[in-house]
Amino acid sequence: EVQLVESGGGLVQPGRSLRISCTGSGFTFTDYVISWFRQAPGKGLEWVGFIRSKALGGTTEYAASLKGRFTLSRDDPKSIAYLQLNSLKIEDTAVYYCARGLPAGGVGYWGQGTLLTVSS
Amino acid sequence: SSELTQPLSVSVALGQTARIPCTGNNIETYSVHWYQQKPGQAPVLVISRDTNRPSGIPERFSGSNSRGTATLTIGRAQGEDEADYYCQLWDSSSAEVVFGGGTKLTVL
Repeated sequence: EVQLVESGGGLVQPGRSLRISCTGSGFTFTDYVISWFRQAPGKGLEWVGFIRSKALGGTTEYAASLKGRFTLSRDDPKSIAYLQLNSLKIEDTAVYYCARGLPAGGVGYWGQGTLLTVSS
Repeated sequence: SSELTQPLSVSVALGQTARIPCTGNNIETYSVHWYQQKPGQAPVLVISRDTNRPSGIPERFSGSNSRGTATLTIGRAQGEDEADYYCQLWDSSSAEVVFGGGTKLTVL
């Protein structure tokens, strides 16, 4: 069974940094693109970015509005993908989801999400 | 297509057909995907690439995309279909994923 589990959310002060992890199981992690999304409380879905598989170059794409503060990486031997968030703002408060697959084809597997609250 | 527009809410009587539109500039030239999201849960892909229904999604879910509007159709709507629905596409020209604002479906 394909599973994705996010961890690392919590309460962080504005201006600080945080790293969220996404651990995959039930599939060959190295073969897949990992996408990231977020959803602010009571709001709609927002794309954060994705990291391609090693076979596709391992390159990344980011939402233009977030580029520069957020960084995606992956550790395929550990089946973990990471979302590094820097210079956090109050408006970054959201549930962060990782998912398997390219948004271009529709994303079929999602994690349960982890809540990040940015507040002083 | 830089923006997708959905109605905030759609209501449907139990057992009737619900249609949720998603409009955008030249949307028919893109592959549109649809997600269902229930409160406190992660989104679920219900339609991919305009018309494809993933394994496990009931046959009453279908999709279309033509002439400026992508549409998610839910036939014989059930109470468990009450959820928020989002349309989404990948704009390769801008390398951006675009979501509609979401539609809350109420089954009466």
